Amino acid sequence: AQSVTQPDIHITVSEGASLELRCNYSYGATPYLFWYVQSPGQGLQLLLKYFSGDTLVQGIKGFEAEFKRSQSSFNLRKPSVHWSDAAEYFCAGLRNNDMRFGAGTRLTVKP
Amino acid sequence: EADIYQTPRYLVIGTGKKITLECSQTMGHDKMYWYQQDPGMELHLIHYSYGVNSTEKGDLSSESTVSRIRTEHFPLTLESARPSHTSQYLCASGPPGQGWEGYTFGSGTRLTVV
Repeated sequence: AQSVTQPDIHITVSEGASLELRCNYSYGATPYLFWYVQSPGQGLQLLLKYFSGDTLVQGIKGFEAEFKRSQSSFNLRKPSVHWSDAAEYFCAGLRNNDMRFGAGTRLTVKP
Repeated sequence: EADIYQTPRYLVIGTGKKITLECSQTMGHDKMYWYQQDPGMELHLIHYSYGVNSTEKGDLSSESTVSRIRTEHFPLTLESARPSHTSQYLCASGPPGQGWEGYTFGSGTRLTVV
């Protein structure tokens, strides 16, 4: 079955520290991959996406993600976290018009 | 500005009431979706539509119904609300094609049934 897994339910980082959120996918073939962010009381906002080509993709708000086929991963990174990055982050995979979401990783940013 | 709107944002309603959650988008997207979101859980697709007069049920069994009479409008109706329907409901839309552009989401409706 097609699925996306986010191993970390909750991550806490200090402001200014680097961040990596993990995402693994299980599909028969490489899906389109996405990262979304959800602030409290809001809908999901698209951060970045991977379709093909360059395995390092840049997104909004200083985020980037790296696609690694050998590890079936699509991890999200940011070099220096800001307090405003505190939110819930969702990884998603899309294939055959079927979008699957991970359970999300909640990011807390310490001052 | 092109966007997707959901109303109401918050709703508290008694058991047995009929409710309709509204979703409208101004982007002209053919594809629209309803997701149910509970804390710590993945989003579950409950309904989707690929165009006017086209509606399908998603993976998650739901007692709700939807309609798609106009491209921009995709309301979700619960005929008789129950406490088990308490959740956040997210509406999304997507352009034609394979979906590589991703979806645009509304801000959600948080429903509480008492």
